[in-house]
Amino acid sequence: DAKTTQPNSMESNEEEPVHLPCNHSTISGTDYIHWYRQLPSQGPEYVIHGLTSNVNNRMASLAIAEDRKSSTLILHRATLRDAAVYYCILTLPGSGNTGKLIFGQGTTLQVKP
Amino acid sequence: KAGVTQTPRYLIKTRGQQVTLSCSPISGHRSVSWYQQTPGQGLQFLFEYFSETQRNKGNFPGRFSGRQFSNSRSEMNVSTLELGDSALYLCASSLAGPPAYEQYFGPGTRLTVT
Repeated sequence: DAKTTQPNSMESNEEEPVHLPCNHSTISGTDYIHWYRQLPSQGPEYVIHGLTSNVNNRMASLAIAEDRKSSTLILHRATLRDAAVYYCILTLPGSGNTGKLIFGQGTTLQVKP
Repeated sequence: KAGVTQTPRYLIKTRGQQVTLSCSPISGHRSVSWYQQTPGQGLQFLFEYFSETQRNKGNFPGRFSGRQFSNSRSEMNVSTLELGDSALYLCASSLAGPPAYEQYFGPGTRLTVT
């Protein structure tokens, strides 16, 4: 399985943008890039995913480098509710990888008021 | 739509006993995956079921097993409990599968083995 590398922790101020980086230098051409987050005392929550192009949804934006060896999750205006552990995960298509997410240690985001 | 529900939310068992945890997926979701979360190992994939068949399995001993019913509800069982099985057990459901699929997680069952 391709590996992802994320900083252990990051801090942000409330209402400012946050850029969470993820390196995945061994990514294959068919790996999808997913982001999940886990708020305290809750199960993980899907945030966004992409393959090659940048993606936007109501929660965040995903910027994918042209060589796909890195990506950045962008929270446009951090709120206190965004304090969580953010996981960058690569998923492989194929029947042998169904329903399987490989979580790393993630990035713990602290948001200061 | 109602989210993923897991029962019970908390459980205390004694070493050597067995335990069964239940997961009800979001209506219409046919895939259910199970994960174990501990402070030391983080989130680890246990197995995934789709249409009552186990499609994928993680690296856990045979004491960990599961099944899925025709209504997509799933159960996981842990036999001969060990102290190290104390963890948060999470289930997640999704519509189908590859190549990219959003998984929706339940709140988890907190299992304590004494």
